[in-house]
Amino acid sequence: DTAVSQTPKYLVTQMGNDKSIKCEQNLGHDTMYWYKQDSKKFLKIMFSYNNKELIINETVPNRFSPKSPDKAHLNLHINSLELGDSAVYFCASSRTGTYAGELFFGEGSRLTVL
Amino acid sequence: AQSVSQHNHHVILSEAASLELGCNYSYGGTVNLFWYVQYPGQHLQLLLKYFSGDPLVKGIKGFEAEFIKSKFSFNLRKPSVQWSDTAEYFCAVKGGGSGNTGKLIFGQGTTLQVKP
Repeated sequence: DTAVSQTPKYLVTQMGNDKSIKCEQNLGHDTMYWYKQDSKKFLKIMFSYNNKELIINETVPNRFSPKSPDKAHLNLHINSLELGDSAVYFCASSRTGTYAGELFFGEGSRLTVL
Repeated sequence: AQSVSQHNHHVILSEAASLELGCNYSYGGTVNLFWYVQYPGQHLQLLLKYFSGDPLVKGIKGFEAEFIKSKFSFNLRKPSVQWSDTAEYFCAVKGGGSGNTGKLIFGQGTTLQVKP
């Protein structure tokens, strides 16, 4: 069983389109995250939800909207895609408290905007 | 602002060679430190972590790292690498200001290529 799964793994789309990435975790964790990895492999946090509540929002453009219907799911919707949005988006989950830094990552969703 | 610097961007070693990857962070308070690894085609996974106590921590697959507070460093080591260690290695820090969240600051990663 995959602990943190993301779909789709690959997305190729045109500028201006809207796309969504879905994430699900079966680890029973309370907290989920979206991280973005750019072309230079820098990983940077975008959002975090704890029990469906947004707790981290790292100055990401409003075109990015996360949604967490329940604590096992965290989706990312991107409006009006731009070339600079091309990246690999990683979903992750963790426990809360002391061990919150132990992240369990999905396999990533590679978004290419043409 | 917190930052993490990994000095080696691309390392090429032969099998059985020893490995040391440098990691320095800038944060004055209490930190938790991590090394994550990303094998080709796979997801990032935790290699080892430091929260407190013994500054020499051991992780999976024979890796270890030493936290030197005075040097703000958390270097990763392995005495003898194998071809299967070929991967991307990421150092990450979680500062006390992050509270109980998993907000990690990552370094830019080091590509390790081990030649058989």
